[in-house]
Amino acid sequence: GIQVEQSPPDLILQEGANSTLRCNFSDSVNNLQWFHQNPWGQLINLFYIPSGTKQNGRLSATTVATERYSLLYISSSQTTDSGVYFCAVATGNQFYFGTGTSLTVIP
Amino acid sequence: GAGVSQSPSNKVTEKGKDVELRCDPISGHTALYWYRQSLGQGLEFLIYFQGNSAPDKSGLPSDRFSAERTGGSVSTLTIQRTQQEDSAVYLCASSLSSGWGSGANVLTFGAGSRLTVL
Repeated sequence: GIQVEQSPPDLILQEGANSTLRCNFSDSVNNLQWFHQNPWGQLINLFYIPSGTKQNGRLSATTVATERYSLLYISSSQTTDSGVYFCAVATGNQFYFGTGTSLTVIP
Repeated sequence: GAGVSQSPSNKVTEKGKDVELRCDPISGHTALYWYRQSLGQGLEFLIYFQGNSAPDKSGLPSDRFSAERTGGSVSTLTIQRTQQEDSAVYLCASSLSSGWGSGANVLTFGAGSRLTVL
């Protein structure tokens, strides 16, 4: 299967700070999604981004498919951004998830 | 329904008992996935259903695990003779289709079923 590596594994931010989360993957993919898992365990889809750049409020994501990585940017972080961020990629029937970046935003 | 619904939300069982977990996908979604998430870990793929096609069972960890999807809608994941290592959160997701490379394959997850095997 495809290997998905996310970095950093853990991140602590002061409220208002910016951050960049990275997802590297080992093979060509035609589907890439970013998810946020809140402290109650609910997974929310943030972006479908197999290539290019998208923005949604304070969040944006960029995928460079030819170089097999994607970046998730969080600007002006808020305490509600805390949780685990997962990257998932697919090239067939299966999605492969990274092990996530655990983000804690402190007030 | 408006979202992916899973039940029960919490299940505690004794080792050796069978359990059934249910997933009700978003109406009209033809693709349905089951994943398992152990404490502090990522998501482990279990099984995938697409319409009336044969399911992709390649992620099921043992023959104690099985799943079915009736009428192309509700799915049940069954774990027979549960073991303590089966303790995890079982997550179901659905998507409009499996049109790879298409935005129709955006996953929507349910809240999960937390299984504890004593």
